[in-house]
Amino acid sequence: DAGVTQSPTHLIKTRGQHVTLRCSPISGHKSVSWYQQVLGQGPQFIFQYYEKEERGRGNFPDRFSARQFPNYSSELNVNALLLGDSALYLCASSAGTNNEQYFGPGTRLTVT
Amino acid sequence: EDQVTQSPEALRLQEGESSSLNCSYTVSGLRGLFWYRQDPGKGPEFLFTLYSAGEEKEKERLKATLTKKESFLHITAPKPEDSATYLCAVLTEYGNKLVFGAGTILRVKS
Repeated sequence: DAGVTQSPTHLIKTRGQHVTLRCSPISGHKSVSWYQQVLGQGPQFIFQYYEKEERGRGNFPDRFSARQFPNYSSELNVNALLLGDSALYLCASSAGTNNEQYFGPGTRLTVT
Repeated sequence: EDQVTQSPEALRLQEGESSSLNCSYTVSGLRGLFWYRQDPGKGPEFLFTLYSAGEEKEKERLKATLTKKESFLHITAPKPEDSATYLCAVLTEYGNKLVFGAGTILRVKS
């Protein structure tokens, strides 16, 4: 079975630009969560969606937004990019909101 | 505020030298504790879920245990391929998010 997939793998953007990251969950999983991981730290929670509704939001500015589609795939959008947004963005899927989460390979975002 | 602290930050072992990694947590109601393995530049790989104090899980050379305040990941006779960062995370009763520790970087030399 296919695991969680994310696209693109790598991305280089300029300060002030906008970026969209995409995630497809494991088949049958209805929940998708997004995390940001900077070098040397554990992942930090950004959003969780379940059945297309936002179920949790971390301590990130309003420049970060997300949505989940009817097929349970998800997009993370970041506006007005800052240098500090450079990180590995991870998507995780789970069967429900309390189950173990399975992570994708991540998207490495570099802001210059 | 929910907090997860992992120790040590880094651990170097010789092949076959058993040891333990620690994860201590302060949370407002624990719904589950999770261990992940992460290789450089990749996403975390799920290892174990523990739900209640006294619970233990095993997989190959790894064994995870849970008390009311901490969890241990025991590594028995490690091999070089066990080298990775091991992350601990908790799921709390007031949110649907995983709260991660900073991880323990494990290096096993042959």
